[in-house]
Amino acid sequence: GAVVSQHPSRVICKSGTSVKIECRSLDFQATTMFWYRQFPKQSLMLMATSNEGSKATYEQGVEKDKFLINHASLTLSTLTVTSAHPEDSSFYICSSLYGGGGKETQYFGPGTRLLVL
Amino acid sequence: AQSVTQPDIHITVSEGASLELRCNYSYGATPYLFWYVQSPGQGLQLLLKYFSGDTLVQGIKGFEAEFKRSQSSFNLRKPSVHWSDAAEYFCAVVYNFNKFYFGSGTKLNVKP
Repeated sequence: GAVVSQHPSRVICKSGTSVKIECRSLDFQATTMFWYRQFPKQSLMLMATSNEGSKATYEQGVEKDKFLINHASLTLSTLTVTSAHPEDSSFYICSSLYGGGGKETQYFGPGTRLLVL
Repeated sequence: AQSVTQPDIHITVSEGASLELRCNYSYGATPYLFWYVQSPGQGLQLLLKYFSGDTLVQGIKGFEAEFKRSQSSFNLRKPSVHWSDAAEYFCAVVYNFNKFYFGSGTKLNVKP
């Protein structure tokens, strides 16, 4: 149980184009999902918290118009990198919140490697 | 401010040797504590977690961790390391509702 998938696993795009990354919780419903960014040899940086049916909450310094998040269902959240530039190249990881009663745990997807040329 | 510290950036151990990875946090109350492992190019896999109760927590792959309130620590241990354990390990704490804070990670190398 608590399996999270991401698609695509790798994407290469040209500068100025937009890229959509999907995050799915496969065997449970997740009202809350998270999007992280990870630079080489660094830890995860929380970008935003995605709540089903409402607007995402972005961390300080993350441009919400640049990184569009949609959490339209209890099993799917999408991150769209708009007008991507080479500096957006990174490893993007999503997670879904599983459990309840104050003992929730995050389960992570396998990540998406984005390369912007 | 809340923080999570993993003092060791890299650790190298011989296969079959014991392992301890350190994690310290700063917070007034007891947070929820997690250890995750990340293989290159992969997402994070949950090894174990602590919410309350017994301070020695057993996880997958033979790992265990001990919560020590007096030291604000949650160190990860394994009695005998296997080559497949080579990866990066992240300690994480939850201070407020569901917001995870990750340490900077410890990269484990295993010598044959």
